[in-house]
Amino acid sequence: GESVGLHLPTLSVQEGDNSIINCAYSNSASDYFIWYKQESGKGPQFIIDIRSNMDKRQGQRVTVLLNKTVKHLSLQIAATQPGDSAVYFCAFDSGYNKLIFGAGTRLAVHP
Amino acid sequence: NAGVMQNPRHLVRRRGQEARLRCSPMKGHSHVYWYRQLPEEGLKFMVYLQKENIIDESGMPKERFSAEFPKEGPSILRIQQVVRGDSAAYFCASSFTGDHNEQFFGPGTRLTVL
Repeated sequence: GESVGLHLPTLSVQEGDNSIINCAYSNSASDYFIWYKQESGKGPQFIIDIRSNMDKRQGQRVTVLLNKTVKHLSLQIAATQPGDSAVYFCAFDSGYNKLIFGAGTRLAVHP
Repeated sequence: NAGVMQNPRHLVRRRGQEARLRCSPMKGHSHVYWYRQLPEEGLKFMVYLQKENIIDESGMPKERFSAEFPKEGPSILRIQQVVRGDSAAYFCASSFTGDHNEQFFGPGTRLTVL
């Protein structure tokens, strides 16, 4: 079946370091991928998305990389800040806006 | 610009009661989605609606759960005869179109079944 998996459930980084969160997916037909950030007690917040015709997309301090050959998605956060502490979810559109979410990676930023 | 609104934010029900969760999409959005999240897990798709139409309900349990998005008013997720296993956070999202468009999420309703 369709699934999205995360390599690391928890990631601890020092403030100022770069963070990399990884995600694997199984549906090779997926053509739209999204990263969400969820803080405690809040709804998911859109970070960045990428379509399958691209392999890299950059935003403010964030970069998403897509490797369709090995079905791998990653989120890079540059100069990680305490405010980046949250749970990060990757998701893909399995067809007509039905999002499939991964289990999540908790990012803990230490001063 | 108000975002996606959900109410109530917290809902406590006893087993066997009914739960009604409401969602008002962002202004101008006509596509609504409901997701369920258990503690320490990712969100699970439940249902996708447009005004007066259910587009995809493949994630909805076959019994006790229903959803609607009427022509006027908010979208409603209704859970009849709740059981303890229904305790979860329920999130609503909305989008402007239905074509790989960014989904904006509300703050969620946390349902606790005693």
